[in-house]
Amino acid sequence: DVKVTQSSRYLVKRTGEKVFLECVQDMDHENMFWYRQDPGLGLRLIYFSYDVKMKEKGDIPEGYSVSREKKERFSLILESASTNQTSMYLCASSKASRGTDTQYFGPGTRLTVL
Amino acid sequence: QKEVEQDPGPLSVPEGAIVSLNCTYSNSAFQYFMWYRQYSRKGPELLMYTYSSGNKEDGRFTAQVDKSSKYISLFIRDSQPSDSATYLCAMTTAGNTPLVFGKGTRLSVIA
Repeated sequence: DVKVTQSSRYLVKRTGEKVFLECVQDMDHENMFWYRQDPGLGLRLIYFSYDVKMKEKGDIPEGYSVSREKKERFSLILESASTNQTSMYLCASSKASRGTDTQYFGPGTRLTVL
Repeated sequence: QKEVEQDPGPLSVPEGAIVSLNCTYSNSAFQYFMWYRQYSRKGPELLMYTYSSGNKEDGRFTAQVDKSSKYISLFIRDSQPSDSATYLCAMTTAGNTPLVFGKGTRLSVIA
């Protein structure tokens, strides 16, 4: 069974704090993704990575950065959290393949920024 | 125009009903089409996967793709309360490119 785990289910932070969201997958997948999900806006891609130490901007990268030092781990960093970053954050992974980009999701981290 | 359009609902049906969920898209290069199901407070999970046009059936679920109309559908037969969830369509082009998701349709099946 594919397993994607996220470090926290719920997180409460204060404005201006640096926030780290960790994601680990155990299926040796090359691709990893970070999304945020908001009511009425659906899933929006923040950053993705096709390999270790590689990263690509998604649709809404502003205010975020990522780190992928190991194949199984993909971290999302909020350098200075703001209230508009309150959201559900979802990590996903997939094998590198042409077109069959079946993504497996983690359970999500609900982040509240006060 | 958004690349993928999906009616957010909510959609409420009685148990046993046939449910039809739909997405339209604008990018004719999309070739791979998926449906994800997301239960409350959980991550999405893959439900159906289809390549190009045609139908695919899996138990009570049928996925349909009409590339000429840029329209995909998910049918659920004999719907059950356990089918209550948000259903997201997703699609991508050939090559290792990120999925493009619809916003999801919230479905409630009432016993």
